[in-house]
Order: sequence, then C-alpha cells, then structure tokens
Amino acid sequence: DGGITQSPKYLFRKEGQNVTLSCEQNLNHDAMYWYRQDPGQGLRLIYYSQIVNDFQKGDIAEGYSVSREKKESFPLTVTSAQKNPTAFYLCASTDEFSGNTIYFGEGSWLTVV
Amino acid sequence: KQEVTQIPAALSVPEGENLVLNCSFTDSAIYNLQWFRQDPGKGLTSLLLIQSSQREQTSGRLNASLDKSSGRSTLYIAASQPGDSATYLCAVRRGSNYQLIWGAGTKLIIKP
Repeated sequence: DGGITQSPKYLFRKEGQNVTLSCEQNLNHDAMYWYRQDPGQGLRLIYYSQIVNDFQKGDIAEGYSVSREKKESFPLTVTSAQKNPTAFYLCASTDEFSGNTIYFGEGSWLTVV
Repeated sequence: KQEVTQIPAALSVPEGENLVLNCSFTDSAIYNLQWFRQDPGKGLTSLLLIQSSQREQTSGRLNASLDKSSGRSTLYIAASQPGDSATYLCAVRRGSNYQLIWGAGTKLIIKP
C-alpha cells in the first residue's frame, strides 16, 4: 500500500546528541514536510522540500537539519543545538496531482533524557 | 500574517447529536482549506478539502463549508458516534508553495 513511513516511533535522546528521524514515502510525491507538534498546539513547520536536492526553512528550523537526496526520502536530524526537542514529529507529503491533499506518517515521539 | 483559530479547544457531547466545529482565519486570500482528524499519538488523516472557489464539501456524515469573506469554515458532523472522538484540525494553504497554516485543533469527545 502507498503511504508514508516514519521511524522510529519512539526515540530517546541524551543531552548533546544528534538524532535522525526517518521519513520514506512511496506516493511519488514531489513535496515533503516536517512538522513539530507540542501538546495543545497546532503543527509548526520545521522544513519543507518541493523537489529533490532542494529544501527550505520553515517557521522553526533552528536546531534542525534535513536532506533530500532522493524523492522518496526526507530525513530530519535534531541537533544538540535544539534546546527543547521533546515533541511529536510528523512527516508529510503532497503534490499537485493528489488534489493537494496532504498525507501524513504516523509520527515519531522524541524525548530528551 | 495569516492566523488560524479553532474554538472551542475541547467539546464533549452525547452520542447521536449533530455538532459543528469552527475554524476562523484572518486573511481571506487562501488557496484551499482542509479539515483533518488526529487520533491520540497518531498522524493526521485528511477528511475534507475545500478549494477557494468552492462553498462546501461532503463526505458521508461530514460536511465542511467555507465562507472566505467572513474568514470562516465549519465542519458539521451528523449523528455523532463514539468513534468520532478525536482531535479535529483545520489548515489553510496560503499559496502555490504547499505551505499550510494550522489551527490548534478541537478535541471532540462523544459520550456513549
């Protein structure tokens, strides 16, 4: 089945560590996104990519990095510079031919220990 | 700057009732508006998408309306069921670059 796969579902990070969240889609979508969700708040955009080898900062990009070397993959690295990384992270994708509907993965929980 | 607001933040109603969830936005120059459902600890599922030229969309017991002039959208749920319990979020697409502006969501509880 087509969809978006995020891994791991749960991740624990020690202070000073970088961690990478995986996002893979087999929907052949051009655009991919990373969002952060904190309790009681809406989604906030971290980074997005509209095409391979290109990506743009969203509203809260500081302390995060991404790459888009393949159309189907858009990994997010949470660096040690992100001082408050504990959150739920959601990856999404869309393109013009899906009616602009955005599809989401199941999310990854990151906790700092 | 586009802002999206959903009120109330939480809503609890008995099973069987018809209900309306609200979404307000400050800039009427939108590309489209979407409603999503999120179950606890899960990703989001798209329910309905309304293009800027449309007034409403329907899917089963769900009906979403859009009034750009007043900056409002409503999600109508008919004959609510306990399985409808979830958080409902709306998001406005502001242009051709696929970026969405999100409301904080309404947490809906349907009591059996």
